[in-house]
Amino acid sequence: EPEVTQTPSHQVTQMGQEVILRCVPISNHLYFYWYRQILGQKVEFLVSFYNNEISEKSEIFDDQFSVERPDGSNFTLKIRSTKLEDSAMYFCASSSGRSLETQYFGPGTRLLVL
Amino acid sequence: AQSVAQPEDQVNVAEGNPLTVKCTYSVSGNPYLFWYVQYPNRGLQFLLKYITGDNLVKGSYGFEAEFNKSQTSFHLKKPSALVSDSALYFCAVRDRNNDYKLSFGAGTTVTVRA
Repeated sequence: EPEVTQTPSHQVTQMGQEVILRCVPISNHLYFYWYRQILGQKVEFLVSFYNNEISEKSEIFDDQFSVERPDGSNFTLKIRSTKLEDSAMYFCASSSGRSLETQYFGPGTRLLVL
Repeated sequence: AQSVAQPEDQVNVAEGNPLTVKCTYSVSGNPYLFWYVQYPNRGLQFLLKYITGDNLVKGSYGFEAEFNKSQTSFHLKKPSALVSDSALYFCAVRDRNNDYKLSFGAGTTVTVRA
């Protein structure tokens, strides 16, 4: 069964450093998403991406964040200058369509900012 | 606006007994509703969804959920729980006027004792 994969599984970084989280969505999916879950809190939507552009973003997704699909398989989330409060589990998801289509999630990357 | 409430942080049942995980939602329009399960060190796995039609939805691993519009609920059920069903369960909603963003509940930890 096709799966969304994410690398790395864990990342530790120093405050102010840039990090790039990587995802390989399910191969025939066209819509891509990032969510995050701060420890003890709800899973929160960050951004959706379709046709090489952001289709929707939350208020969390400020100028420190960017997304990119650099090739036909990868989907990345970049945090330019990490803050302590960026420590969270980051989930990538993909879907074949929008609206009623199911979003399938990867295993997550646990980011710790020191 | 869209939101989900899972009123129980934890549910404990004996193996073989029925399992219910509660979820209520709030949307401005009509909802699409989803259940996901998370096992330790794994991502969010899709269980089932309600889009339209029959209010009783059947999903993976013997789970089902009933959409109740008047009570704005979408409770997850399994007639006979297994120890392997022990996991963290998330309810999620998307307003039909919203193409992308899923809003999640806080999650319910299910423990099934042998």
